[in-house]
Amino acid sequence: GQSLEQPSEVTAVEGAIVQINCTYQTSGFYGLSWYQQHDGGAPTFLSYNALDGLEETGRFSSFLSRSDSYGYLLLQELQMKDSASYFCAVNTNAGKSTFGDGTTLTVKP
Amino acid sequence: DADVTQTPRNRITKTGKRIMLECSQTKGHDRMYWYRQDPGLGLQLIYYSFDVKDINKGEISDGYSVSRQAQAKFSLSLESAIPNQTALYFCATSGRGRTDTQYFGPGTRLTVL
Repeated sequence: GQSLEQPSEVTAVEGAIVQINCTYQTSGFYGLSWYQQHDGGAPTFLSYNALDGLEETGRFSSFLSRSDSYGYLLLQELQMKDSASYFCAVNTNAGKSTFGDGTTLTVKP
Repeated sequence: DADVTQTPRNRITKTGKRIMLECSQTKGHDRMYWYRQDPGLGLQLIYYSFDVKDINKGEISDGYSVSRQAQAKFSLSLESAIPNQTALYFCATSGRGRTDTQYFGPGTRLTVL
């Protein structure tokens, strides 16, 4: 089966940098995705890693280490609007995804 | 117009009733998915379909059924709703590639009394 672990809550202040970690156990691993979900809204795609290393998209970066079954999402220059839940998801060879339980990020002034 | 739409957006029903949630997409994607989200938790896959003739069970398919009426339409049914099926339901679509992003609909909030 598949399992993912990520912290349930993270708090940071505006302008700061925050890292949200994700560890996974899975068979048929193909890649790791990150999604953002504002309260009650639809999840939206942020970033994807298939290979080891860092992917940068504006203020958001994502990292993957396949040998450690570990990845993280890095959010820089935090803004109040970044307060949301962030989910890591493993993409598998079967073509479907398994999501973690999400990390609630609270950004304070 | 939204690329992935879900109807209804909110529904309150009673135990034992049959409920259908509908999903339509204009993205031209072959793959469609139904997820359930309980408060404070992640998304659990109910069913997924890689094309009109391909339907697969996900992690939590018991008590649910689906129909892929066309490439653009994928509906989820609860044959006899029960209170623990109260949740937020999302439809999603993606292209054929394994790296393809999933695009989510706005969700349906279902309450079973």
